[in-house]
Amino acid sequence: AQSVTQLDSHVSVSEGTPVLLRCNYSSSYSPSLFWYVQHPNKGLQLLLKYTSAATLVKGINGFEAEFKKSETSFHLTKPSAHMSDAAEYFCVVRWNNNDMRFGAGTRLTVKP
Amino acid sequence: DTEVTQTPKHLVMGMTNKKSLKCEQHMGHRAMYWYKQKAKKPPELMFVYSYEKLSINESVPSRFSPECPNSSLLNLHLHALQPEDSALYLCASSQDRGLGDSPLHFGNGTRLTVT
Repeated sequence: AQSVTQLDSHVSVSEGTPVLLRCNYSSSYSPSLFWYVQHPNKGLQLLLKYTSAATLVKGINGFEAEFKKSETSFHLTKPSAHMSDAAEYFCVVRWNNNDMRFGAGTRLTVKP
Repeated sequence: DTEVTQTPKHLVMGMTNKKSLKCEQHMGHRAMYWYKQKAKKPPELMFVYSYEKLSINESVPSRFSPECPNSSLLNLHLHALQPEDSALYLCASSQDRGLGDSPLHFGNGTRLTVT
């Protein structure tokens, strides 16, 4: 069965330090990959997507993600965390058969 | 601001009430979705409409009844709900369900409490 794994349920960083949120997926078919952010009591906002073009994808708010086929990973990074980045982050994968799965989510805490 | 609008933002209803959630998008998207999200969990897919036809029903109880009156509107009719149905209900749209790289665009959700 196809699956998405976010390796950390909670990540805590200090403001101004780098952020790394990890996502791995099963690789039965060529996927499209997305990262979404959800602030409390809000809907999900698209940060970025990978769709078989460049393997390094730039998104909004300074976030990037790198697609590594050999590792079946799509980790989300940001060089310098801001207090406003504190939120829940979801990795989402859609396979060619249109099966789409959400990861369990990673809660990012940013300390002053 | 989101391009998918959901109303109401909050809803409290008793177990015998009938209410409806509404969702609207004007991006010309042809696929629309209902998701249910419990606290600290990812969204769970409930229904998918593609070109105004129901294409996926994820074994949702019949007390939830979706409706797609036209390509811009999606409703979720609620009747005889249970307290465990309390959750954030999210509407989403995408350009076309068949386009794998077409992202979902989410509304801000309706926070439903069943008393």
